[in-house]
Amino acid sequence: QVQLKESGPGLVQPSETLSLTCTVSGFSLTSYSVSWVRQPSGKGPEWMGRMWYDGDTAYNSALKSRLSISRDTSKNQVFLKMNSLQTDDTGTYYCTRDRLRRGFDYWGQGVMVTVSS
Amino acid sequence: DVVLTQTPPTLSATIGQSVSISCRSSQSLLHSNGNTYLNWLLQRPGQPPQLLIYLVSRLESGVPNRFSGSGSGTDFTLKISGVEAEDLGVYYCVQSTHAPPTFGGGTKLELK
Repeated sequence: QVQLKESGPGLVQPSETLSLTCTVSGFSLTSYSVSWVRQPSGKGPEWMGRMWYDGDTAYNSALKSRLSISRDTSKNQVFLKMNSLQTDDTGTYYCTRDRLRRGFDYWGQGVMVTVSS
Repeated sequence: DVVLTQTPPTLSATIGQSVSISCRSSQSLLHSNGNTYLNWLLQRPGQPPQLLIYLVSRLESGVPNRFSGSGSGTDFTLKISGVEAEDLGVYYCVQSTHAPPTFGGGTKLELK
């Protein structure tokens, strides 16, 4: 069955870099795209960026200067790196399978990231 | 970016009651290919969002048929015909017609 699982540090220092991994199973990264979506506590979700099935990437312009998404298809993993973290980057970070017609049809459980010294 | 405005922000309902949630877009969500990429998600407490409806009105596999979606252009509605306890949570509309994908502010469905 389709599964996605995020992993990474729960606490990041201000101005440091966040590195997250999304490990997928039940589908191929060369057939489906994967997006990263984040959600501050008590607020709505925000789309961050996408790893297209063909290896291309797309980013939210508000985050583009700080964000990088990559993948390792042999390990079924998609990576997120975001630098210069601030306290308002605190929230839950999700990876989600991203289909053209169905949109975000499967989600990981999310990883809570706190930016604090 | 496209702004999606959901109303009401909070909805109180009794079990069995039918309710509707509105999602209005700042611009038409009709794509040049004829599709309208407007979906509805439900986020139960402590859980990730789950897809309920895609392309305005198509029910995702496994979703009960008490959920229905309608609308076109800039105005969309999610209806629940007979709320059940498992339906409680926050509902989000999300569009992907225009880049970047954007989410509505959410509607919290709670028990009256």
